[in-house]
Amino acid sequence: EAGVAQSPRYKIIEKRQSVAFWCNPISGHATLYWYQQILGQGPKLLIQFQNNGVVDDSQLPKDRFSAERLKGVDSTLKIQPAKLEDSAVYLCASINPGQMNTEAFFGQGTRLTVV
Amino acid sequence: AQSVSQHNHHVILSEAASLELGCNYSYGGTVNLFWYVQYPGQHLQLLLKYFSGDPLVKGIKGFEAEFIKSKFSFNLRKPSVQWSDTAEYFCAVNAWEYGNKLVFGAGTILRVKS
Repeated sequence: EAGVAQSPRYKIIEKRQSVAFWCNPISGHATLYWYQQILGQGPKLLIQFQNNGVVDDSQLPKDRFSAERLKGVDSTLKIQPAKLEDSAVYLCASINPGQMNTEAFFGQGTRLTVV
Repeated sequence: AQSVSQHNHHVILSEAASLELGCNYSYGGTVNLFWYVQYPGQHLQLLLKYFSGDPLVKGIKGFEAEFIKSKFSFNLRKPSVQWSDTAEYFCAVNAWEYGNKLVFGAGTILRVKS
């Protein structure tokens, strides 16, 4: 089965610019996660979707970050405007919530550098 | 709020030494437990997982982990590390009753000296 697809793999932008990341989860996986992984830290959950609804966005900096999953399949994460501290790897993962004992599958991530 | 603690941020071992990385979580209910590994320049890979049953689980590359419910712990072990085990290791927990929110620890960087 195809894995979680993310694009782009790398992005360099200047501070105050905007950027968007795209994720296509594994087919049939209703739950989708976006994580931010800053160098030297563990992945931090930004937002969790169940189909096209938000389950948890308590750690999403909503003044500059937004995410959507309009049709309950692929998702975009946007930062506007970017700050230097947003430099990180942004990871997308998906899971089939219909199966209790299953793991999340991760994409390769998008490495964002804000200069 | 749910949290995951990993006790050591950096571990340095010589080849053939034994490894144990600690992980504790704060959930009170039924949990699923995971260890992920991230090799330099690569993405997260699942090392092993625990859902139910035998609390001693075996994963890839000779790793194993033991779930001790009374201690809310899921420690990772390997009897004899190799230079190629140099990587960052993350413990993660999710729970069906918490909406499958998957929470990670801060990670442990393991460096194995050859």
